[in-house]
Amino acid sequence: EAGVAQSPRYKIIEKRQSVAFWCNPISGHATLYWYQQILGQGPKLLIQFQNNGVVDDSQLPKDRFSAERLKGVDSTLKIQPAKLEDSAVYLCASSLGTAQETQYFGPGTRLLVL
Amino acid sequence: GEDVEQSLFLSVREGDSSVINCTYTDSSSTYLYWYKQEPGAGLQLLTYIFSNMDMKQDQRLTVLLNKKDKHLSLRIADTQTGDSAIYFCAERPGGSYIPTFGRGTSLIVHP
Repeated sequence: EAGVAQSPRYKIIEKRQSVAFWCNPISGHATLYWYQQILGQGPKLLIQFQNNGVVDDSQLPKDRFSAERLKGVDSTLKIQPAKLEDSAVYLCASSLGTAQETQYFGPGTRLLVL
Repeated sequence: GEDVEQSLFLSVREGDSSVINCTYTDSSSTYLYWYKQEPGAGLQLLTYIFSNMDMKQDQRLTVLLNKKDKHLSLRIADTQTGDSAIYFCAERPGGSYIPTFGRGTSLIVHP
């Protein structure tokens, strides 16, 4: 079974630039999550999708971050414009359903904002 | 303070047992998890325990839960160099499907 795929694996940009990350969840998984993991900390949820609808985006800085999952499968997370403090690993995870206790994580995208 | 607290580092000798400790704050937590993160990789779910259990054993892993003290531990028997990684404790509060993670404990296994 293929795992959660993310791209790119690494990205370096200058502050005020834009960046987008892509995630392909495990086939058949209805729920998709984006987490931000700052160096030395645990992951923090940014947004949760159930199929193509948003379940929870309370922690998403909506002035600069946006995410979509148009067809209920792949998802993109965008930052525009980026700030220095956005440097982090962005992890995508998926689960079969919201009640499913197991979230499967992708390898993450490492973002460095200079 | 943090909702989930862990010590930052643990160093053990190969072949010894490792015990990683975690405390959490939400008494309504239904699930408690241990994740492993190897360098450059995402998080891998190692094991989880329901809040109505005291202990769970899975091969070399033993999870102990003290619900009264809100204390969770992960014991790795016969620790190997391949066990070197960051271990995250996480709680899933009642009424939520989203786990809250600790800052992670870096386990260093030396010969």
